Amino acid sequence: AQSVTQLGSHVSVSEGALVLLRCNYSSSVPPYLFWYVQYPNQGLQLLLKYTTGATLVKGINGFEAEFKKSETSFHLTKPSAHMSDAAEYFCAVSPSGGYQKVTFGTGTKLQVIP
Amino acid sequence: SAVISQKPSRDICQRGTSLTIQCQVDSQVTMMFWYRQQPGQSLTLIATANQGSEATYESGFVIDKFPISRPNLTFSTLTVSNMSPEDSSIYLCSVFRDTDSGANVLTFGAGSRLTVL
Repeated sequence: AQSVTQLGSHVSVSEGALVLLRCNYSSSVPPYLFWYVQYPNQGLQLLLKYTTGATLVKGINGFEAEFKKSETSFHLTKPSAHMSDAAEYFCAVSPSGGYQKVTFGTGTKLQVIP
Repeated sequence: SAVISQKPSRDICQRGTSLTIQCQVDSQVTMMFWYRQQPGQSLTLIATANQGSEATYESGFVIDKFPISRPNLTFSTLTVSNMSPEDSSIYLCSVFRDTDSGANVLTFGAGSRLTVL
């Protein structure tokens, strides 16, 4: 069984400020972890993923996330927010090994204030 | 990455009618997935569509309400039957795609936004 908890359904940051979106997961087996972004009226786009190896993962648009097994966390960060980062972000987990069911968190809507 | 095309992109439907959503993928895939995203909520898997066999439905979803076709390895349809306002959602088609790291990543179409009046 697996689940994802995203803390904070809405997060507001000032332009240029640090972005931190929190994600904790539960999985009975080693997980694959993902962050997706959904811009208004669009589908989901993969930001980054953790499968194996390096626990600090870099994605597109300057985002990165760190897999912390001891904390069962996969928080998403970006040093400096840009107006174009305003979107909804979804954390997701699946069992490792490919072609496994993906479970999504409830999403965090990021607002960037000019 | 995969190109997944969905039609219609949006529609407004009357209560009691049915609507069929089409999903076309640019290459052959074994499994295609249909998700629902209700307003303000996360994605919920409706069913997995395999070519040549009946779709596998998740708990809470039934074939009579969400019949799925999978006539070939690049195409699938999802029908939302006898619609009610509670069916107003974004319906998303997705497939797994291989990545450079060898992991299989879920890739989504742009979605079909349905509003039921």
